Amino acid sequence: DAKTTQPPSMDCAEGRAANLPCNHSTISGNEYVYWYRQIHSQGPQYIIHGLKNNETNEMASLIITEDRKSSTLILPHATLRDTAVYYCIVRVPRSGNTGKLIFGQGTTLQVKP
Amino acid sequence: NAGVTQTPKFQVLKTGQSMTLQCAQDMNHEYMSWYRQDPGMGLRLIHYSVGAGITDQGEVPNGYNVSRSTTEDFPLRLLSAAPSQTSVYFCASSTTDSLYGYTFGSGTRLTVV
Repeated sequence: DAKTTQPPSMDCAEGRAANLPCNHSTISGNEYVYWYRQIHSQGPQYIIHGLKNNETNEMASLIITEDRKSSTLILPHATLRDTAVYYCIVRVPRSGNTGKLIFGQGTTLQVKP
Repeated sequence: NAGVTQTPKFQVLKTGQSMTLQCAQDMNHEYMSWYRQDPGMGLRLIHYSVGAGITDQGEVPNGYNVSRSTTEDFPLRLLSAAPSQTSVYFCASSTTDSLYGYTFGSGTRLTVV
């Protein structure tokens, strides 16, 4: 799985958009970008994934650059409940391997009133 | 609600005791796994299963046993608890290709004294 780099922490005002960047310059053609988050003491939660195109679901939007070397997770209207550690993971959807997810240090997003 | 259910949520064991952490999912997922998370650290894979009757070791399997007699259940057994096994344990499941990510349980917080 390709290595990812994320800022260790970010702040965001409640109601504003939170834009969380992720660098993955060594991503290969068949690797997807996944985002998870972990709210304090809870299990990680899948947010969104994408391969090439931008993606949007009810939780967030994922913007992937054309060269696929970086991406941005966008929470359009952050709330206090979005305060969490956000993990960007690049991997091939499991096929015959352990399925192990490698969670790096992630970005701690603090949403402030 | 559909998802991954872990029991118990909290447990205190004495050194040398054995116990079983339960994990059940109702999404008909073929893949299930166990992780542990120590304070300030990422998740480490203990054991995983790609289907009923099939299990394999992750990166930190020592001191733990698993079995998968049904698609729904994937219990984790601590054979002889040690203080080093104090951790938060998460169970996760996914479809075979895990394209749409993993669903995690809410965790079991285990303390061994």
